[in-house]
Amino acid sequence: AQSVTQLGSHVSVSEGALVLLRCNYSSSVPPYLFWYVQYPNQGLQLLLKYTSAATLVKGINDFEAEFKKSETSFHLTKPSAHMSDAAEYFCAVKGFQKLVFGTGTRLLVSP
Amino acid sequence: DAGVIQSPRHEVTEMGQEVTLRCKPISGHNSLFWYRQTMMRGLELLIYFNNNVPIDDSGMPEDRFSAKMPNASFSTLKIQPSEPRDSAVYFCASSPRDTEAFFGQGTRLTVV
Repeated sequence: AQSVTQLGSHVSVSEGALVLLRCNYSSSVPPYLFWYVQYPNQGLQLLLKYTSAATLVKGINDFEAEFKKSETSFHLTKPSAHMSDAAEYFCAVKGFQKLVFGTGTRLLVSP
Repeated sequence: DAGVIQSPRHEVTEMGQEVTLRCKPISGHNSLFWYRQTMMRGLELLIYFNNNVPIDDSGMPEDRFSAKMPNASFSTLKIQPSEPRDSAVYFCASSPRDTEAFFGQGTRLTVV
């Protein structure tokens, strides 16, 4: 079975600071992993994905994530936060075609 | 392609009424997912289909909920009878094999 744990329901950073959102997964098969972003009153948009190629994955808007099998982690980072990054972020795991999401982390960015 | 299309975008209904949510997936995608999003429970997978066949409906909360996919271009999620606790945003998503899912804009359901 697949599951995802996102540590921290809220993360607050200052504009220009490093963003780190944590995700740990569990999967009985080699997983596909994703990060999605959701802005208010909108659907989910893909930020980046890991599909068993390079372990360091780059996405849109300077976000990146590193797949670490030994730690079963797929943390999301961005070197410098912008005000426009304020949103909810979801980590997801796909196995046997089933796509399961974590509970989400709301990123707050202060000036 | 226009993306995943859900209708209606908003639905307000009275308790006890039947509600039908509709989804048109992206052409060529072989998986379709229905999710429910609430503040309390986050984003829950209700059911998913592969090649129009329901694979896992373990997330469907009660027998009041049912989903169908009569063909590759259409799916419905029905709630009968509806209750106030069903109020949520319902998302449909579709996916090709072994890659990401694409989401619709969601249907905001309010049961009064």
